[in-house]
Order: sequence, then C-alpha cells, then structure tokens
Amino acid sequence: GAVVSQHPSRVICKSGTSVKIECRSLDFQATTMFWYRQFPKKSLMLMATSNEGSKATYEQGVEKDKFLINHASLTLSTLTVTSAHPEDSSFYICSASLAGQGLNNEQFFGPGTRLTVL
Amino acid sequence: AQSVTQLGSHVSVSEGALVLLRCNYSSSVPPYLFWYVQYPNQGLQLLLKYTSAATLVKGINGFEAEFKKSETSFHLTKPSAHMSDAAEYFCAVSGAGGGNKLTFGTGTQLKVEL
Repeated sequence: GAVVSQHPSRVICKSGTSVKIECRSLDFQATTMFWYRQFPKKSLMLMATSNEGSKATYEQGVEKDKFLINHASLTLSTLTVTSAHPEDSSFYICSASLAGQGLNNEQFFGPGTRLTVL
Repeated sequence: AQSVTQLGSHVSVSEGALVLLRCNYSSSVPPYLFWYVQYPNQGLQLLLKYTSAATLVKGINGFEAEFKKSETSFHLTKPSAHMSDAAEYFCAVSGAGGGNKLTFGTGTQLKVEL
C-alpha cells in the first residue's frame, strides 16, 4: 500500500514551453502533498507544500508564478513549470501524506520526474 | 528550526563489513527522524523512522538506527554490507514546529566493494 506515482518519468522540452508533472496517490487519500527538487548529487529541496483544495505554500526563494501547483483532489497534485529554461532542468520528486494521521505522519515518495529543458 | 548533518558524503565498505552512516540533527522540539534510501533515478524509499517510541529502531533490509538524545545523533548501521546496499542515503528530520515538513541532510553515497 501507500504507492505514489509520477507522470511523466522523463520529459524533454524546449526553452519557453510549459511542462506539467502529475503526482498521484494510488491507493490512499493524501491531504498533503509535497514537491521537491533535487539537483545532481545533491539533497532534496522542498519547493512547496500542497493541501487539497487550498493554495500551495511555497518555500522561500521558490517562484510561485514559475512553479504552479494544483491539488484539486485527495489523490492528485500537479506541478507546472511555466516558461521553462535550461536552469529549470532537474529531478522533481513529489511525496504524499496519508489523510487523518496528524502531524509528523510519514511521507510516501513518488519515483521522480527528470526534466530536461533544451 | 531544524537541520540535519550527514558526515561523509561518500562511504566505501567491503562486502560483509559493517555499514555506519552518520547523522546528527538539530531541533528545538522533540524530533521525528527518518532514514531514506535512493537508487539512481528513483524516488526515496523509507528505511526506518524514529517517532519517540523505542530508541533503537529496526528497518528494512537489515538496517537499524539508534536515537541518542545526548549526542543528538541517529546513525544508521547494518552489520554486514551487501552489494545491493550501494545507493544514496538521506537522513531527515521533522518536528512539531514544522508540521510534517521534512528537512533532509545532504546525503551519503554508499559504495560496496568486493
């Protein structure tokens, strides 16, 4: 149980285009989803916290107009990278927390999406 | 504020040898601590977690970690390394002050040699 999927697993796009990444909790309802960015050989950097039905909370330094996050249902959150540039190339990972477990509940991670902007 | 320090960005052990990956944390509230493993181009898999119950936590694949409050440490160990253990390992902390937001360490690349 507690499986999280991401789609696509890999995407290559041209500079200036927008890319949407989906994060789904397959067998549980997730009140909270998190989006991380991971640079090569680096740790995970939290970009934003997304709660179902409300606006995402972005971490300091993350442009909310650049990285649009939507959490329309308890099983789906999307991250849209708008007007992508080569410096947006990275590995994006989402995670989801089970509904109803209160604070400090475990996060379940998706397999990640490799974005390459040419 | 919370932070995690992982000493040693690269650790190399022989197959069958003890694995010790170090993690020290800083937290102004009682912490919840986690160890995750990441294989190339994959997401993170939870190895084990400490949530204020037993201080010695056993996880998957033979790994365990001991929470030592006096040392603010949560080191990961495995008695006998296997080739399949080669991966990136991340220590993470969350606490009541940050909700369930995780703060990750910089990671330790484990290499297992024959």
